[in-house]
Amino acid sequence: EAQVTQNPRYLITVTGKKLTVTCSQNMNHEYMSWYRQDPGLGLRQIYYSMNVEVTDKGDVPEGYKVSRKEKRNFPLILELPSPNQTSLYFCASSLSGTSGGIVQQFFGPGTRLTVL
Amino acid sequence: AQSVSQHNHHVILSEAASLELGCNYSYGGTVNLFWYVQYPGQHLQLLLKYFSGDPLVKGIKGFEAEFIKSKFSFNLRKPSVQWSDTAEYFCAGSSSNTGKLIFGQGTTLQVKP
Repeated sequence: EAQVTQNPRYLITVTGKKLTVTCSQNMNHEYMSWYRQDPGLGLRQIYYSMNVEVTDKGDVPEGYKVSRKEKRNFPLILELPSPNQTSLYFCASSLSGTSGGIVQQFFGPGTRLTVL
Repeated sequence: AQSVSQHNHHVILSEAASLELGCNYSYGGTVNLFWYVQYPGQHLQLLLKYFSGDPLVKGIKGFEAEFIKSKFSFNLRKPSVQWSDTAEYFCAGSSSNTGKLIFGQGTTLQVKP
């Protein structure tokens, strides 16, 4: 079954304790992306990757890191989590269009993160 | 600056009523536009998308959207809503040659049976 998986689905942590949220897709998509969803703000893009070893900042990259060493995986790293990073996080993947744009994104189930 | 805005934040309709959710975008150059739906407790699903061609786009579940370039709009419509359409709806836009995707703030639709 074609899907995007995220782990963990729920995480409660404390300020300053490094964490990683994993994201994996089995559709051989070039493009992957991370978003955070906050009430009243919709989804905001954190980082995206057009292909292996190619990553770019979205609208809210501060406090986050990503890496794309393999096509299927795109982990999100919070090295020093803070309470303002409490949010619902979604990973997504997509084929890339002929000119490089996003064709259609498939979203993961979400990770609800609470930083105390 | 690139932006996507949704006019209505909360819409309440009765079943069988018609729906139109507004979306305006601000992009230079060619833009790809999307509508996503998020049912309670679930992840986002694509309703429809517009890249080029026929400005009237039909999607899943009876939804459609019309791209009006002169108005910078991409409004979502459905002639007759059902209770199961209760969800949050997001408009999103992307330049045709980048991976940067911008979402609107979302519209919560509540359909009363």
